[in-house]
Amino acid sequence: GENVEQHPSTLSVQEGDSAVIKCTYSDSASNYFPWYKQELGKRPQLIIDIRSNVGEKKDQRIAVTLNKTAKHFSLHITETQPEDSAVYFCAARFRNTGFQKLVFGTGTRLLVSP
Amino acid sequence: DSGVTQTPKHLITATGQRVTLRCSPRSGDLSVYWYQQSLDQGLQFLIQYYNGEERAKGNILERFSAQQFPDLHSELNLSSLELGDSALYFCASSFGTPQETQYFGPGTRLLVL
Repeated sequence: GENVEQHPSTLSVQEGDSAVIKCTYSDSASNYFPWYKQELGKRPQLIIDIRSNVGEKKDQRIAVTLNKTAKHFSLHITETQPEDSAVYFCAARFRNTGFQKLVFGTGTRLLVSP
Repeated sequence: DSGVTQTPKHLITATGQRVTLRCSPRSGDLSVYWYQQSLDQGLQFLIQYYNGEERAKGNILERFSAQQFPDLHSELNLSSLELGDSALYFCASSFGTPQETQYFGPGTRLLVL
């Protein structure tokens, strides 16, 4: 079925540490994997995405890696700051009877302590 | 501000009632997506419209329906409301396919009493 598993569900780190969130997906044909950040009471916002023709993508302190063989992808945040505290969602694009849709993971609540 | 607007921001209603949530996509975007986010839950995809036509369906209940109008705004209709329908309902838009960046609106918080 169409499934995206995300771990951990909560993650607490000290400011300056790195944080890693992992996701696995079920459809080997998936080829688009975005990550969204949702602050409390606000809308999800795209922070980075990766397509299956690359294995890694970086944007300042944020990086995403993709292993298509293993069907998993990860978000890496380095030098974490308190403002990184939020819920992070991964997603994968699935094909559904000819149409496409994004399926989201269940989210990771990241808490960065000063 | 993503450019996607949703009204109303908050909605309080009673069980058994019907409500309509409205979404206007970003200028130029043809696709509209509806998601439900229950308390401490992830984003559940409900339905997608592209240029007025239904394109993909998720776990949308039969009591729920949606449409996209010629001006590309969309409405999500929720009927025979139950307590469990209380949630944040987000609309998102993209130019075309879900492979393009989806921009989320601010959401409508629905409380069913």
